[in-house]
Amino acid sequence: QSALTQPPSASGSPGQSVTISCTGTSRDVGNYNYVSWYQQHPGKAPKLMIFEVSKRPSGVPDRFSGSKSGNTASLTVSGLQAEDEADYYCSSYAGSNNLIFGGGTKVTVL
Amino acid sequence: QLQLQESGPGLVKPSETLSLTCTVSGGSISSSTYYWGWIRQPPGKGLEWIGNIYYRGNTYYNPSLKSRVTISVDTSKNQFSLKLTSLTAADTAVYYCARDNGGYGFDPWGQGTLVTVSS
Repeated sequence: QSALTQPPSASGSPGQSVTISCTGTSRDVGNYNYVSWYQQHPGKAPKLMIFEVSKRPSGVPDRFSGSKSGNTASLTVSGLQAEDEADYYCSSYAGSNNLIFGGGTKVTVL
Repeated sequence: QLQLQESGPGLVKPSETLSLTCTVSGGSISSSTYYWGWIRQPPGKGLEWIGNIYYRGNTYYNPSLKSRVTISVDTSKNQFSLKLTSLTAADTAVYYCARDNGGYGFDPWGQGTLVTVSS
């Protein structure tokens, strides 16, 4: 099972929005609503930001939103803040009790 | 507040077996809602799911690691463990344990433990 495809980098100025894509196939992203997004600051453990495509865990700001269209899921960060600068990873259930991750996207706040 | 903590050796020799334990505090590992998982991250690289376990012992493994991985649970100690055999340098990574919310969303995570495979 191949990894999900994410752009290596994305950027935006404070207050702007940035959207990260996560492209899979009809066997994973396109077939299940089990897409999650994680934020990881350097030297820290990942933090769950979105699960089941668009649900936010308690405590995650509503600036973070998730969506899916076909085989591509997206994470949008609105009203960018300096603290949003981090690596972001997507994951998707891939059937047969298997889970795959994307390669990660480094978000820079300009 | 639920917390997870990985423990185990930081240095393992090639061809040997890695054994790690994740201790869960602030909640019961025997909850019927959750699964418990292991994820790893080679230095400077992305995340890789290793496998999950349910408190009753049901296990699910990454197909690419399945032949070398065993995950077990000890409900009396509120712990679950990872064994990875036939280690090579490619297994050098930070190993994380985490709770799976039932939909493959991992939250929270342990702080992670760096395992280096080297002679």
